Amino acid sequence: KNEVEQSPQNLTAQEGEFITINCSYSVGISALHWLQQHPGGGIVSLFMLSSGKKKHGRLIATINIQEKHSSLHITASHPRDSAVYICAVVTGNQFYFGTGTSLTVIP
Amino acid sequence: SQTIHQWPATLVQPVGSPLSLECTVEGTSNPNLYWYRQAAGRGLQLLFYSVGIGQISSEVPQNLSASRPQDRQFILSSKKLLLSDSGFYLCAWSGPSGGANEQFFGPGTRLTVL
Repeated sequence: KNEVEQSPQNLTAQEGEFITINCSYSVGISALHWLQQHPGGGIVSLFMLSSGKKKHGRLIATINIQEKHSSLHITASHPRDSAVYICAVVTGNQFYFGTGTSLTVIP
Repeated sequence: SQTIHQWPATLVQPVGSPLSLECTVEGTSNPNLYWYRQAAGRGLQLLFYSVGIGQISSEVPQNLSASRPQDRQFILSSKKLLLSDSGFYLCAWSGPSGGANEQFFGPGTRLTVL
């Protein structure tokens, strides 16, 4: 069993839809990261969370430490949001990565 | 502002040949540095991280090694490449609190071993 599980693996949405990507983990963590990987391979860090909720533009990330669960929400989705979204957790010096959620937003 | 560079961007190497990938960071001091690999169809895997010059921690036993000869330089090497070393290699840096800090990724090197 992987330490980090993401769902769904693949997601197709119409432009404007509200999108949720889920991440569950099985280890105690000091931080959780949401990353965005574009088709060319480049990775951008979206959020680093240790508790609560963060918002950046149309993106919102939440974490529930007790339930070991985090969600990434995209409001008013746009085709440029199409990418792979990766959840990563940190425990001590160990990093554990989800396999990613591939999002396609159709105009 | 901080920037992170990786080169080369793409590389095709025969099995058994050596490897050297370089990563440099500008605009920050004493960063934590990381090497990741993403094999085709698989998630990211942390290979090495470094909290300072000459300090390297390996997360996964493998055919690769890393070195940090200068504060803002991180090198990934192999003496003899294997087919299984093919993948997308990413360097990243963060502040000194390590994983509890935001990570900034380089553009990556796509390595194909034939």
